[in-house]
Amino acid sequence: SQTIHQWPATLVQPVGSPLSLECTVEGTSNPNLYWYRQAAGRGLQLLFYSVGIGQISSEVPQNLSASRPQDRQFILSSKKLLLSDSGFYLCAWNNRGGNEKLFFGSGTQLSVL
Amino acid sequence: GQQVMQIPQYQHVQEGEDFTTYCNSSTTLSNIQWYKQRPGGHPVFLIQLVKSGEVKKQKRLTFQFGEAKKNSSLHITATQTTDVGTYFCAGRNNAGNMLTFGGGTRLMVKP
Repeated sequence: SQTIHQWPATLVQPVGSPLSLECTVEGTSNPNLYWYRQAAGRGLQLLFYSVGIGQISSEVPQNLSASRPQDRQFILSSKKLLLSDSGFYLCAWNNRGGNEKLFFGSGTQLSVL
Repeated sequence: GQQVMQIPQYQHVQEGEDFTTYCNSSTTLSNIQWYKQRPGGHPVFLIQLVKSGEVKKQKRLTFQFGEAKKNSSLHITATQTTDVGTYFCAGRNNAGNMLTFGGGTRLMVKP
């Protein structure tokens, strides 16, 4: 069966520090991969998605970046965090095709202080 | 770009009361999905609707897709405390493969 792993679960970082969040998927090949951010009590904002290794599409311009070094690995990074980067970050995947549902990781609660 | 609006943003109900959340898209959708996020958890897929006017039921949950495929609703009959969470709709338009999420409706149930 397919599983998605996302870590860490919580993270407290000072302003200006770097960030690296990692997400891996098991049990499937060639998944679409996504990074979402959820502000407290708010909806889901799509940050990045990837349809293949090295292929990254950005939905919202910001100081975050994403990389997909392997088929089932998706990394969210920042060189210098801002206070506004605080939030709940969710990785997700789905199969190729037009109507596939999303499977979400357990999320990372990031607090930038 | 495509926008998906969801109302209400919050809803408090007494256990046993019914609950409905509504989802409206600015464009015609090819399909719509619904997700539930428990407090402190991650969104979990509930259902997908594809056909115009489609109605699907999951126990006490009834999902409906509008005739014009621009709106959808989720109705919960006789809420229970286990229904607590945020319900999101997510629509996919005819042009692409991306889902656009609504802002969610947070349901709170008083026992």
